[in-house]
Amino acid sequence: DVKVTQSSRYLVKRTGEKVFLECVQDMDHENMFWYRQDPGLGLRLIYFSYDVKMKEKGDIPEGYSVSREKKERFSLILESASTNQTSMYLCASSLWPRTTYEQYFGPGTRLTVT
Amino acid sequence: SQQGEEDPQALSIQEGENATMNCSYKTSINNLQWYRQNSGRGLVHLILIRSNEREKHSGRLRVTLDTSKKSSSLLITASRAADTASYFCALYNFNKFYFGSGTKLNVKP
Repeated sequence: DVKVTQSSRYLVKRTGEKVFLECVQDMDHENMFWYRQDPGLGLRLIYFSYDVKMKEKGDIPEGYSVSREKKERFSLILESASTNQTSMYLCASSLWPRTTYEQYFGPGTRLTVT
Repeated sequence: SQQGEEDPQALSIQEGENATMNCSYKTSINNLQWYRQNSGRGLVHLILIRSNEREKHSGRLRVTLDTSKKSSSLLITASRAADTASYFCALYNFNKFYFGSGTKLNVKP
């Protein structure tokens, strides 16, 4: 079974802090994704990466950056956390190229910025 | 927007009944997928239907796709309390996924 793990289930940070969210997958997937999930808005793509050191902006990249130094690890960085970044953050991975294109999700990190 | 839109937003049924959720979208797609999310957890892939397919089955799940109407439906037959979750459709295009805001299904025992 594919396993996607995220470094924390719950995280509380103060406004202005630098925040690192880590995601690790164990199935040698090329693609990795970061989403945020907010009530009524569904999942919105922040960034994705299709290879080591490669990254692409999603729909809402402002205020975030990412790092992918190793294939299995994809980090989301909040350079200066703000209260409007309080959300559930979900990491996912998928195999490329492949006919199924399904994504495997981690359990999520619920981030609260106070 | 390239997101799918699920309908209804919430659905409450009795165990044993069927549950139908719909997804409408506006763009062309390579495929459409359905995911389930249990409360406070990550999403789990349920089923995928390609743009050239009209119907797909997997266990108690049946998915239909009408590309002319840009809509899909997910049917869960003989529902169980364990099916209580949020269900999302996801559109796949050019290596990106676009998720809707989901249908919250409550199956009462």
